Amino acid sequence: DQQVKQNSPSLSVQEGRISILNCDYTNSMFDYFLWYKKYPAEGPTFLISISSIKDKNEDGRFTVFLNKSAKHLSLHIVPSQPGDSAVYFCAASPSMDSNTGKLIFGQGTTLQVKP
Amino acid sequence: DAGITQSPRHKVTETGTPVTLRCHQTENHRYMYWYRQDPGHGLRLIHYSYGVKDTDKGEVSDGYSVSRSKTEDFLLTLESATSSQTSVYFCAIGQTRYEQYFGPGTRLTVT
Repeated sequence: DQQVKQNSPSLSVQEGRISILNCDYTNSMFDYFLWYKKYPAEGPTFLISISSIKDKNEDGRFTVFLNKSAKHLSLHIVPSQPGDSAVYFCAASPSMDSNTGKLIFGQGTTLQVKP
Repeated sequence: DAGITQSPRHKVTETGTPVTLRCHQTENHRYMYWYRQDPGHGLRLIHYSYGVKDTDKGEVSDGYSVSRSKTEDFLLTLESATSSQTSVYFCAIGQTRYEQYFGPGTRLTVT
């Protein structure tokens, strides 16, 4: 049972345009959400996060939106750059596991930004 | 970058042989995690540790065991490797629930 789903395996956008990556979750007990970025042959790196008490968090070109009623979050990258080409994973933290730091990851979306 | 290393980085082994992967950190973080990454599945938690000698199972723990005798080391053991355990294995560390820092990964092939 996939509790965190990224239904788009891949996304291609033009440099300078907006990239929107989506993530859906089924467990209403998730209270913290994160996005990770992964380049080939490297480990994932933390990108941005959001608490369930907020609906938006912004960090430079990256903004994460959370819609709790729809159990949906999205990552916006504006403007997109070729260096943003990577696999993006969304992850969720169950409130019951706040003492362990356990995360549930989605399947990942491969973003390609074309020059 | 967080001080986290994994060894070996690549390994090819035969079905039925035991394999141990090592994760080493220099950050003195409390939490350590082992994940596997497979196409279509993303990252799945195998085991995790919340302190020395304190470990627990993740969502795909069958066929794996772990040990943590020191803060800095977290070992993942495949008691008898199977082809289904061919994967890329990532170790991660964390001090709080808000971020995890990942190692560079170990590519394991079981023939």
